[in-house]
Amino acid sequence: RKEVEQDPGPFNVPEGATVAFNCTYSNSASQSFFWYRQDCRKEPKLLMSVYSSGNEDGRFTAQLNRASQYISLLIRDSKLSDSATYLCVVNGEGGSNYKLTFGKGTLLTVNP
Amino acid sequence: GAGVSQSPSNKVTEKGKDVELRCDPISGHTALYWYRQSLGQGLEFLIYFQGNSAPDKSGLPSDRFSAERTGGSVSTLTIQRTQQEDSAVYLCASSWDRGNTEAFFGQGTRLTVV
Repeated sequence: RKEVEQDPGPFNVPEGATVAFNCTYSNSASQSFFWYRQDCRKEPKLLMSVYSSGNEDGRFTAQLNRASQYISLLIRDSKLSDSATYLCVVNGEGGSNYKLTFGKGTLLTVNP
Repeated sequence: GAGVSQSPSNKVTEKGKDVELRCDPISGHTALYWYRQSLGQGLEFLIYFQGNSAPDKSGLPSDRFSAERTGGSVSTLTIQRTQQEDSAVYLCASSWDRGNTEAFFGQGTRLTVV
């Protein structure tokens, strides 16, 4: 099993749609989880951290399922500006408690 | 500065030459990471610094790659005898603490080996 695995997409959705991304990780001892966003030819930027109880930030909802080693990101009422690559990030893979391991990302295109 | 600064932003070099890539992390950030991203690919972990120490160098692709960090601040990634497969964007990130807090990325150095 890959350390951090994401559906590569691409996802093409119309404006206003709801879209969900999933991510699995291999190390049950992993401690911290994040979703980053990367625009074309730009550096990754933090979208949101993922907490055990689940968390919401406006149209974005992140959830963590430790038992299944699974993280999700839900985007509601998608906007054209949401078009980007979404990266799942896990701390603690490979037995270290510092290494941030990135998934390969899921490309989202929101169409008018 | 307010963010992570990397220089140069672009570097074109001839195969076989050595290159140095520089990263200025956010002041006070103890953790510093180097990643590499090839065109259309995900981020590949290279090395991590906590302070001036690099507890994990296992991500460095070969012995042509080395990195150092001085004064708990600036880091330099050196690639010796560059090869065409070294062409990629090299991204540096820093954070307050090891892996538990947000990592802020610089804009990267786009390296092209011709």
